[in-house]
Amino acid sequence: QQKVQQSPESLIVPEGGMASLNCTSSDRNVDYFWWYRQHSGKSPKMLMSIFSNGEKEEGRFTVHLNKASLHTSLHIRDSQPSDSALYLCAASRAGNTGKLIFGLGTTLQVQP
Amino acid sequence: EAAVTQSPRNKVTVTGGNVTLSCRQTNSHNYMYWYRQDTGHGLRLIHYSYGAGNLQIGDVPDGYKATRTTQEDFFLLLELASPSQTSLYFCASSARTGNYAEQFFGPGTRLTVL
Repeated sequence: QQKVQQSPESLIVPEGGMASLNCTSSDRNVDYFWWYRQHSGKSPKMLMSIFSNGEKEEGRFTVHLNKASLHTSLHIRDSQPSDSALYLCAASRAGNTGKLIFGLGTTLQVQP
Repeated sequence: EAAVTQSPRNKVTVTGGNVTLSCRQTNSHNYMYWYRQDTGHGLRLIHYSYGAGNLQIGDVPDGYKATRTTQEDFFLLLELASPSQTSLYFCASSARTGNYAEQFFGPGTRLTVL
């Protein structure tokens, strides 16, 4: 069973629209969440990370974290066709292991 | 930006063959990782390392060996390749702070085992 669950599996939004992606960990020992973006045929690249309750904004991207429920969400406003990609959520456990647990990802398609 | 390179980029071998995938990072990162990415399974950690000579078992280690010869170089070895090991392999590295450091990924190696 995936310890990091992402939803939806795929998402289509119009250009200029808002995309909302969700991620929940069933591992109570995680304390840090990451969002990676992987364009088709490319390698994953870190988009944002969060470890404190609340939200963090960077340009068009906002990440929320609720540590009590181990739920994080990524919101992309004014979505652009170049945002079309696989979005991977990852969690790291307390302790300095350096390991990340990845979810299966959400495929986002932004239609012009 | 961190530079991680992988070779070869594509590899085709036969069942039972020996394969070595290479990874090099030039950013003095302590941590290096080998992942495989498969549809329906996502990114899964095979082996990782904290530094030269160190090896840690990942989540899907069966059929794989790894060796970290230097700070920069991390190798993944498939000694008796099987079709189930057909996959896209990524190497990644991160800085000393471990959990709380961004992982930088290489471009990937697509391996096909016939």
